[in-house]
Amino acid sequence: GQNIDQPTEMTATEGAIVQINCTYQTSGFNGLFWYQQHAGEAPTFLSYNVLDGLEEKGRFSSFLSRSKGYSYLLLKELQMKDSASYLCAVMDSNYQLIWGAGTKLIIKP
Amino acid sequence: GAVVSQHPSWVICKSGTSVKIECRSLDFQATTMFWYRQFPKKSLMLMATSNEGSKATYEQGVEKDKFLINHASLTLSTLTVTSAHPEDSSFYICSAKTKEPYEQYFGPGTRLTVT
Repeated sequence: GQNIDQPTEMTATEGAIVQINCTYQTSGFNGLFWYQQHAGEAPTFLSYNVLDGLEEKGRFSSFLSRSKGYSYLLLKELQMKDSASYLCAVMDSNYQLIWGAGTKLIIKP
Repeated sequence: GAVVSQHPSWVICKSGTSVKIECRSLDFQATTMFWYRQFPKKSLMLMATSNEGSKATYEQGVEKDKFLINHASLTLSTLTVTSAHPEDSSFYICSAKTKEPYEQYFGPGTRLTVT
């Protein structure tokens, strides 16, 4: 079956760095997405990886290793507004998104 | 960037009534639209995939007679929750996809409460 695993919850300190991991097993692979979702709101797009390696976008970076079925989202210089859920999703061979359960990130002052 | 709107953003209805939710792509043509529901503290659950001019494809366990989906044009899809019950209360989110397979844009969501 298809499966996306990510930690349920993480806590970090304002100004620090946090890495959110995601492992996946899917039927086919057409890219991996990271979304940010604040409580009560729809997800917003953060990043898309389809090739191995690191994609950097400001304070956020996303890494992909297709051979390991592994990705991480790296958040630097954490701000209080980064408190949110972070969803990992993989696009399978049918171009459908398979969603992880999300990682709730709590930022403490 | 591409914008997707949903209307209404929240709705409260009585048990047994029907509710229609609209999803519009404002500045692009969406060949495919997706409907999701999300329970509190849970991930998104795909309900159905809707292609313009054809019948929606429903995920296993989703009642197609209860959740009516119409994709009448390249910019509009509607989800009608028929004979709503309290257990249908949820956050419903649509997303729209362009021809490029990886571009999927989300609407702001509709919070439905059935009393």
